[in-house]
Amino acid sequence: SQTIHQWPATLVQPVGSPLSLECTVEGTSNPNLYWYRQAAGRGLQLLFYSVGIGQISSEVPQNLSASRPQDRQFILSSKKLLLSDSGFYLCAWGGGGGYTFGSGTRLTVV
Amino acid sequence: AQSVTQPDIHITVSEGASLELRCNYSYGATPYLFWYVQSPGQGLQLLLKYFSGDTLVQGIKGFEAEFKRSQSSFNLRKPSVHWSDAAEYFCAVGAFGSGGYQKVTFGTGTKLQVIP
Repeated sequence: SQTIHQWPATLVQPVGSPLSLECTVEGTSNPNLYWYRQAAGRGLQLLFYSVGIGQISSEVPQNLSASRPQDRQFILSSKKLLLSDSGFYLCAWGGGGGYTFGSGTRLTVV
Repeated sequence: AQSVTQPDIHITVSEGASLELRCNYSYGATPYLFWYVQSPGQGLQLLLKYFSGDTLVQGIKGFEAEFKRSQSSFNLRKPSVHWSDAAEYFCAVGAFGSGGYQKVTFGTGTKLQVIP
C-alpha cells in the first residue's frame, strides 16, 4: 500500500533562517506530489506541485521553493524565513482517486 | 477555475444526532468531489469521493454525501454522530490540469463540535 512520510512534525525557526521540509512516498512510482499550506480559517492553499523529477510548478509567488530530486522525494525550502511563513504544511500525493496526505509539519517562525 | 464554499465555519451537534455539512462548488464541467476530515494537528484523511454514477456515495466512518448537480452541492451527512467525529471537515473539488496532474481546490473547512 502507498504511504507518505513527512518530517519534522513540528519546527520552530527564527526569522531569516533557512528551511527544509522533506516528504517521501512509498508504494508508488512517478506520483504527482503537492505541497499545501494551511493557515487558520483559510483552508488549504496549494503552493507547489510536481509531476516528475525536476518538474516543479508554483501556484503562488512566495518566499518558498520546492525541489524533487528523486521520484518519490519532494522538498520544500526557503533561504530566509519570514514571520508570514508560519503555518501547517502538508505534503500529498495524488492519483485519480484523490489525495493521500502526510501528517503535516507545524512551522512557527519567531 | 474551480472553487468551493463551505458556508458553516463551526457546527455543534449533540452525540447521537444527525449531521449535515454543506458544500457548494463552482466548476464548468463534471466535477470530481471529495470530503476530507482532519483531526487536530494531523493530516487530512479522505472520507469519500464522487466521480460519476450514483449521486449518493458512501464513505468511511458511516458518512455519506449526495451530489446534486442542479444545486452545485455535495453535502456530507451522517445519521448519528459519535464524539469521535469531532474534527474539521473539508470539501474539495478536483480537475485535471495540463500535464495530467489533478488540481484539488479545498473549501475553508467546517469545524464540528460534538457535545454529550
